[in-house]
Amino acid sequence: GESVGLHLPTLSVQEGDNSIINCAYSNSASDYFIWYKQESGKGPQFIIDIRSNMDKRQGQRVTVLLNKTVKHLSLQIAATQPGDSAVYFCAENPNSGYSTLTFGKGTMLLVSP
Amino acid sequence: GAVVSQHPSWVICKSGTSVKIECRSLDFQATTMFWYRQFPKQSLMLMATSNEGSKATYEQGVEKDKFLINHASLTLSTLTVTSAHPEDSSFYICSAPTPGGNYEQYFGPGTRLTVT
Repeated sequence: GESVGLHLPTLSVQEGDNSIINCAYSNSASDYFIWYKQESGKGPQFIIDIRSNMDKRQGQRVTVLLNKTVKHLSLQIAATQPGDSAVYFCAENPNSGYSTLTFGKGTMLLVSP
Repeated sequence: GAVVSQHPSWVICKSGTSVKIECRSLDFQATTMFWYRQFPKQSLMLMATSNEGSKATYEQGVEKDKFLINHASLTLSTLTVTSAHPEDSSFYICSAPTPGGNYEQYFGPGTRLTVT
């Protein structure tokens, strides 16, 4: 189930389940979105990206869905594995002409064997 | 693929001292690099944008005289935390835009700063 911790919401799943991590972004002008995975004590690692002219993009075991109407982004992980346990952040480029990214609050994914 | 490195990976210093953190792009050039700070169980907060050959751009609320940024070359940016205090203890992460013009960033492994 999903619970809200002190700062990070947590999603706990069983190995083999499909996981869905959600993100609400703030800027309707944002035109590029990225999902990053961050393991404890490490820097963020790119997972998948999507541009605002798309509503779905698939990678290996991951799918990103974009709903611009409600400014919502989701990351679906198929057949979740213990190695997927990490904090997942969505990030948006606010279409300012620069390559800055604004990060969401993050969700901790815990995968039990 | 392109890699961004940081040095040191962790550092412990005493209050009042200064600490320098290096960020290097290893196989590509970066005219721009970004510095983030991350407190436990929180998201990454952009501190400043480091620009090669010009002054850094700081985000609102970040003291430029406390967090000195120098983009010495196309592959190196440094962040110096001056007169460090315990509240500066945090995880500092740098990144650089990927070559090619999209908005993805390569992130360094981070530097854990502890001020005693």
